[in-house]
Amino acid sequence: EAQVTQNPRYLITVTGKKLTVTCSQNMNHEYMSWYRQDPGLGLRQIYYSMNVEVTDKGDVPEGYKVSRKEKRNFPLILESPSPNQTSLYFCASSPRQGPSYNEQFFGPGTRLTVL
Amino acid sequence: RKEVEQDPGPFNVPEGATVAFNCTYSNSASQSFFWYRQDCRKEPKLLMSVYSSGNEDGRFTAQLNRASQYISLLIRDSKLSDSATYLCVVILPLTGGGNKLTFGTGTQLKVEL
Repeated sequence: EAQVTQNPRYLITVTGKKLTVTCSQNMNHEYMSWYRQDPGLGLRQIYYSMNVEVTDKGDVPEGYKVSRKEKRNFPLILESPSPNQTSLYFCASSPRQGPSYNEQFFGPGTRLTVL
Repeated sequence: RKEVEQDPGPFNVPEGATVAFNCTYSNSASQSFFWYRQDCRKEPKLLMSVYSSGNEDGRFTAQLNRASQYISLLIRDSKLSDSATYLCVVILPLTGGGNKLTFGTGTQLKVEL
């Protein structure tokens, strides 16, 4: 089944404790991205990657890191989480050609709470 | 001015009603447009692309007005199962290659008996 998976789905942590949210897609998509969704602010892009070893900042990159060592994986790293990073996070992937060009395929989301 | 703006709603409509949402965008160089549907606490899923000439998929019609810089979504004969948040997405090509995707904050629809 074609899908984007994220882990963990739910996480409660404390300020300053490094964490990684994994994202993996099995559709051979070149483009991957991370979003956070907050009430009243909608989906905001954190980082994106157009291909392996190519990453770039989105609209709200502060406090986050990413890496793209393999095509299928795009982990999101919070080196020192803070309470303002409490949010619902979505990973998405997209092909860069073909009939689904630019269509974002989303993972199920990770609900993160930083105390 | 926000890059992409939507009326947050909620739009409360009776079953069978026709409802329309608009989404305005600020950058005239934007090239591609989509409507996504998001159910509560779930991931957004593509509803339909928006083409310049307008397009229809069953009860759903999407239109683009480049002169006024807005896209619209019309839902006819609303069903209870249409209750969700509808997000518009605007795509702007970047000079270095790649695209910038901007999501609207979404319009909430509640269809009632």
